[in-house]
Amino acid sequence: EAGVTQSPTHLIKTRGQQATLRCSPISGHTSVYWYQQALGLGLQFLLWYDEGEERNRGNFPPRFSGRQFPNYSSELNVNALELEDSALYLCASSAPRRIEAFFGQGTRLTVV
Amino acid sequence: KQEVTQIPAALSVPEGENLVLNCSFTDSAIYNLQWFRQDPGKGLTSLLLIQSSQREQTSGRLNASLDKSSGRSTLYIAASQPGDSATYLCAVTGGGNKLTFGTGTQLKVEL
Repeated sequence: EAGVTQSPTHLIKTRGQQATLRCSPISGHTSVYWYQQALGLGLQFLLWYDEGEERNRGNFPPRFSGRQFPNYSSELNVNALELEDSALYLCASSAPRRIEAFFGQGTRLTVV
Repeated sequence: KQEVTQIPAALSVPEGENLVLNCSFTDSAIYNLQWFRQDPGKGLTSLLLIQSSQREQTSGRLNASLDKSSGRSTLYIAASQPGDSATYLCAVTGGGNKLTFGTGTQLKVEL
């Protein structure tokens, strides 16, 4: 069984550009979570999507947004990129009515 | 606001040693606690999950305990091996299915 898959593995963008990160959950999982792991700041909760709806949001500015598609895959969009957005972005998924989260390998976003 | 602390921040031990990693959290209203492993630049691998109603979980050489009332969890690793070298993270699940992570313990097991 395939795990959580994220693409791309690495992404390099220029300050002010937009970045789109993608996540495919484990088959049968309906919830997708996004986390940011910036150097020195630890893992911070970004967003939770379940059944296509945004259910919870962390303390991040509105330029961090996303969506969940009917097949439960998800996109994270970061607009007006800043140097501080450079981080490893991790996606996780969980099964219906289950809280245990399974993580992907992440997308390394570098803003130059 | 939930805060999770892990002690020690770094640990270096010789192969074969038994070791204990500590995790504490400030708000006992949690659904569960998970221990993860992270290799450099990689994602997270779930090691153990303890439901809030449970006291401990075991998987192979790993044993995790949870004392919700005191806000503490420990991860016990028996007979450590060089392949155990990684960063170990604990995380608690609170309202909104949000995981709050500790800052991790960086473990190095030396030959």
